[in-house]
Amino acid sequence: NAGVTQTPKFQVLKTGQSMTLQCAQDMNHEYMSWYRQDPGMGLRLIHYSVGAGITDQGEVPNGYNVSRSTTEDFPLRLLSAAPSQTSVYFCASSYPTGVGYGYTFGSGTRLTVV
Amino acid sequence: SQKIEQNSEALNIQEGKTATLTCNYTNYSPAYLQWYRQDPGRGPVFLLLIRENEKEKRKERLKVTFDTTLKQSLFHITASQPADSATYLCARDTGNQFYFGTGTSLTVIP
Repeated sequence: NAGVTQTPKFQVLKTGQSMTLQCAQDMNHEYMSWYRQDPGMGLRLIHYSVGAGITDQGEVPNGYNVSRSTTEDFPLRLLSAAPSQTSVYFCASSYPTGVGYGYTFGSGTRLTVV
Repeated sequence: SQKIEQNSEALNIQEGKTATLTCNYTNYSPAYLQWYRQDPGRGPVFLLLIRENEKEKRKERLKVTFDTTLKQSLFHITASQPADSATYLCARDTGNQFYFGTGTSLTVIP
């Protein structure tokens, strides 16, 4: 039981490049989300999905795209990387929110945009 | 706004003492408040949650309280150990999103 798997663990991008952060979970969780964590800012929600085919924006969605074609996978795409997107990115999954389940987090992707 | 606030100051306590961390929220009461532990370089790990209609919840050396009048949750670690040193995050479950506080860094001194 691997839980939530994120790849890559580290990435350096040049400004303007695009890339996809991968996230997969094997717990059959319906709810998946992406957060970014910056010093002093805490975890901020980028996008989330309540099930396959359904996604929605969080607090800081600009510059990011997501899709959810399967229950297991929830990739995050950076369209044109900017230095402001330098951060640690976490993917998380859970059973439905609002009914008292906690998140399972991945180990994170540390992204640097130069 | 679904703001949730934690004391950003680091907390240092002596081994064996009880650590108490605070989480305050604004506006309406969340259905649930959750607490997580995060170690450096790792993702947060879910510890426990408390429902709006619960006053207190316990799990081993951990205790969480929920005061809807004060709009506050307290997280206690009794008989603290150096291995409890970490950052602790609280989060509110609004029904379709989780909002996290910035976390409180706890150091337990041997």
